[in-house]
Amino acid sequence: QQQVKQSPQSLIVQKGGISIINCAYENTAFDYFPWYQQFPGKGPALLIAIRPDVSEKKEGRFTISFNKSAKQFSLHIMDSQPGDSATYFCAASKRQAGTALIFGKGTTLSVSS
Amino acid sequence: GAVVSQHPSRVICKSGTSVKIECRSLDFQATTMFWYRQFPKQSLMLMATSNEGSKATYEQGVEKDKFLINHASLTLSTLTVTSAHPEDSSFYICSAKGGLAVNQETQYFGPGTRLLVL
Repeated sequence: QQQVKQSPQSLIVQKGGISIINCAYENTAFDYFPWYQQFPGKGPALLIAIRPDVSEKKEGRFTISFNKSAKQFSLHIMDSQPGDSATYFCAASKRQAGTALIFGKGTTLSVSS
Repeated sequence: GAVVSQHPSRVICKSGTSVKIECRSLDFQATTMFWYRQFPKQSLMLMATSNEGSKATYEQGVEKDKFLINHASLTLSTLTVTSAHPEDSSFYICSAKGGLAVNQETQYFGPGTRLLVL
């Protein structure tokens, strides 16, 4: 019930290409789905987040697509750049105060120049 | 805005000693703070949730007597690793959520503390 499954584990994309990372959740009580970016030795930083009443959200080169019926959501990084090389984590939680994020296992993205 | 700091950024200690890690929300008052642990090339695992003035809620499998959490104010939480052993070596990350003047649903993460126990 509490798991968030993320794939792929690692991803290599050429500069300018599209990076796609997928996640699936089980708990239908989750109503907040963020994506975090983490560089080695640093804390995770919020990239973009979505609520289940929206099917897509775009911020710059980053887009979240959300499929409530399938309990799946994905991150698309358009025009991927070497600076995007990092580990990406999807997460899920309830929006209410005091509830923690449950993280996926992470995807290591390498963008080759 | 919404900056979370941790101190120290890295610490090396001898086996059997105790180490305290501080987590501060610098520009907002957080109603809830969380502590995570991350091993190399792994995900963040939630250790405990704490609210100001209340006892922390620990996740299953986390020893509350070994990982002492104190949440003294709306801007400060501390994690003390007592009688540290080499297997406690890890990256400890705190986060803060809630309070006024920030997005209520967002967890803001600190930069992490690297603990190495020799």
